[in-house]
Amino acid sequence: DAKTTQPPSMDCAEGRAANLPCNHSTISGNEYVYWYRQIHSQGPQYIIHGLKNNETNEMASLIITEDRKSSTLILPHATLRDTAVYYCIVRENSGSRLTFGEGTQLTVNP
Amino acid sequence: EADIYQTPRYLVIGTGKKITLECSQTMGHDKMYWYQQDPGMELHLIHYSYGVNSTEKGDLSSESTVSRIRTEHFPLTLESARPSHTSQYLCASSGRQGAYNEKLFFGSGTQLSVL
Repeated sequence: DAKTTQPPSMDCAEGRAANLPCNHSTISGNEYVYWYRQIHSQGPQYIIHGLKNNETNEMASLIITEDRKSSTLILPHATLRDTAVYYCIVRENSGSRLTFGEGTQLTVNP
Repeated sequence: EADIYQTPRYLVIGTGKKITLECSQTMGHDKMYWYQQDPGMELHLIHYSYGVNSTEKGDLSSESTVSRIRTEHFPLTLESARPSHTSQYLCASSGRQGAYNEKLFFGSGTQLSVL
């Protein structure tokens, strides 16, 4: 599975949009981009995933560049409860396992 | 809501004891996983299973063992606990083989402390 690069930390003001970037320049054609988050020491929580089209659900939006070498997770109106570590992962949909990197520590400030 | 359960939530135990961490899911998922995570550090995959009687070692070497006798149950065992085993252990499961959506559902974790 392709490797991803994320900034180690980001800050965001409460109520503003949080835009979390992820680089995956070695992504292959059949690899999906997944986003998870981990709040404190809880188990990670699935947020969203996509292949090449932009995706939106009740939690977030995922924007994937046309060349698929990078993506951005958007939390449109960040709240204090969105403070967490956010993981960007690329893998084949039928891949056997998910490898988590270091992720981005997002801190939402009041 | 994810239906995957881990027990105990916290465990403090002495060196040399045998322990089993329980993980059960009611979603009928074929694939199950164990991850290990130290505070502030990455999650590391230590075991996974594709189905009954299937178990594989993960990316991080671990002295623990696992079994998969029933689809819904994936216990992790340490025959002789040591202080170096102190960590958080997270269990996860994912959808049926061939399913389009392979998102993982995680349990709440077991925080193990070996004295």
